[in-house]
Amino acid sequence: DGGITQSPKYLFRKEGQNVTLSCEQNLNHDAMYWYRQDPGQGLRLIYYSQIVNDFQKGDIAEGYSVSREKKESFPLTVTSAQKNPTAFYLCASSIGGTGVAASYEQYFGPGTRLTVT
Amino acid sequence: RKEVEQDPGPFNVPEGATVAFNCTYSNSASQSFFWYRQDCRKEPKLLMSVYSSGNEDGRFTAQLNRASQYISLLIRDSKLSDSATYLCVVPSGGWGKLQFGAGTQVVVTP
Repeated sequence: DGGITQSPKYLFRKEGQNVTLSCEQNLNHDAMYWYRQDPGQGLRLIYYSQIVNDFQKGDIAEGYSVSREKKESFPLTVTSAQKNPTAFYLCASSIGGTGVAASYEQYFGPGTRLTVT
Repeated sequence: RKEVEQDPGPFNVPEGATVAFNCTYSNSASQSFFWYRQDCRKEPKLLMSVYSSGNEDGRFTAQLNRASQYISLLIRDSKLSDSATYLCVVPSGGWGKLQFGAGTQVVVTP
């Protein structure tokens, strides 16, 4: 089955520790995205990548880092510099390219709930 | 003003009834719009894309009012399984970047 996987589903960390969230897709999509969702708020874009070895900051990139060494994988590291890391983290992908549908029709993984205490 | 605004609800709807709700957007240049459905504690899933004045898919109809800058979603013959939060999504200032509304919660009751 084609899709996007994220692991783990739940993650607990102590304050001051870095943590890496996994995102893998086998849809052959060029573009990948990371969002966070807080209760009562819309999704906010952290980082996105249009092609391998290239990525851009989203609206709330501070305290996060990413890499895109393979087309299938886009891991997100939540660093100790992120002030409020507890959230629901969602990874998404899209076909990519210049067509509207290719760029904007995004498909999401099941998410990782991170709790930092 | 937020780029995308939605009434958070909840909209409590009897099974079989029709429900409609709006989403307002601030960028008058937006050309495409999307509705996503998100079940409780799950990921959003694309419900419908709107590239012109509207779109219809079975019991779901999206209508775009460019003059007033809002897009509506109408659900006919509501099913219990339609209970979810509906996210309005608008492209925002750059390749592949989307602005998500906070969502409208719909609760369909027996």
